[in-house]
Amino acid sequence: DTGVSQDPRHKITKRGQNVTFRCDPISEHNRLYWYRQTLGQGPEFLTYFQNEAQLEKSRLLSDRFSAERPKGSFSTLEIQRTEQGDSAMYLCASSPEREKSTDTQYFGPGTRLTVL
Amino acid sequence: QKEVEQNSGPLSVPEGAIASLNCTYSDRGSQSFFWYRQYSGKSPELIMFIYSNGDKEDGRFTAQLNKASQYVSLLIRDSQPSDSATYLCAVKGRGSTLGRLYFGRGTQLTVWP
Repeated sequence: DTGVSQDPRHKITKRGQNVTFRCDPISEHNRLYWYRQTLGQGPEFLTYFQNEAQLEKSRLLSDRFSAERPKGSFSTLEIQRTEQGDSAMYLCASSPEREKSTDTQYFGPGTRLTVL
Repeated sequence: QKEVEQNSGPLSVPEGAIASLNCTYSDRGSQSFFWYRQYSGKSPELIMFIYSNGDKEDGRFTAQLNKASQYVSLLIRDSQPSDSATYLCAVKGRGSTLGRLYFGRGTQLTVWP
């Protein structure tokens, strides 16, 4: 069990550029989540996958944001036409389906995005 | 919009003392509650979860849940400087928001030697 991994760990981009982040969940975890966290705030939910199906999307996930999990393993989060307000830590988490009552989510190290 | 409220602190306690962190939530039907620890610049790390009224102990940590009062707390006994971090309370969603966790803003704890 190597934990949730995310790539890249840091990304600096210019306003208007597109960025893509990758998340690899803990092996055999079929649920995967994306959150965004800004300074001084708790993580805010963005979206959730069970296997390859995207089951929930937050209203925070505007048209510029898209997430995929094509084979039910790793996931990507893409932000198009980045804005300075997108600067945040993007966190990925995963959980095993067997823990249905608690759905304990384990977080990866995050990708810190800075939009100049 | 479900709300999770925490005192932002900072909370400062001496080494060896008991640190008490509190959290209230707005959705009376919430069932599952989590405490995460987050060091500066790092991602949240799960400390423990609780879903039954009463106390749940794990080492130096005790989570307390009172669903009638919509209140969950975390006690840290024999606090150590390495416990200095931000503690996040999270509540699992229900129904159409079953997959998500709602987080508070976190309480910053400092344990001084």
